[in-house]
Amino acid sequence: EVQLVESGGDLVQPGGTLRLSCEASGFIFSDHWMMWVRQAPGKGLEWVATIKQDGSEKHYVDSVKGRFTISRDNAKRSLYLEMNALKVEDTALYYCSRGSGWLIDSWGQGTLVTVSS
Amino acid sequence: EIVLTQSPGTLSLSPGERATLSCRASQSVPKDYLAWSQQKPGQAPRLLVYGPSTRATGIPDRFSGSGSGTDFTLIVSRLEPEDFAVYYCHQYAWSPLTFGGGTKVEIK
Repeated sequence: EVQLVESGGDLVQPGGTLRLSCEASGFIFSDHWMMWVRQAPGKGLEWVATIKQDGSEKHYVDSVKGRFTISRDNAKRSLYLEMNALKVEDTALYYCSRGSGWLIDSWGQGTLVTVSS
Repeated sequence: EIVLTQSPGTLSLSPGERATLSCRASQSVPKDYLAWSQQKPGQAPRLLVYGPSTRATGIPDRFSGSGSGTDFTLIVSRLEPEDFAVYYCHQYAWSPLTFGGGTKVEIK
């Protein structure tokens, strides 16, 4: 069974930094693209970032380019999202997701990031 | 960027009725790489259908997807109590990956 467990969400002030983690199990982690998707309170889904199996290719939504960095450690079966210069509008539940190609086929339960002074 | 527009925003139906959800793309979705996911309150989304008519593992056959190019449809043939939820389409053809705004299927 595919399991994705996120951690690292917290309350942080605008301009602050946070690092999210996702531990994967139940599948061959290094075979899959991985993504972060977020959902602001009461809103819809927004793709944030994607990383290729070997980490050689990364893509970001325009609103986080230059501020967020996606990375992975295949030996630890873990996905990360380094978030800098956080803004109030980054407040959301952040989901770690598995890709089959770019198709999102599995989701974690999410970790909540709140940006507020 | 491919913009996805879902309609209606809310669908009020009774258990046993048929639900028809629409997802329209601002430009043709290459290879019909369009998927549907379901999200219940307090839960993560779950993949239902992709490509656009292949059901994901364990998804009952009352869920069916169809369409091509810019117009896609998800049909739930007979609504069960557990089907009342929010449904999202998303295209996975190229970056940026984009989602529709969602259709809420509520009990009438």
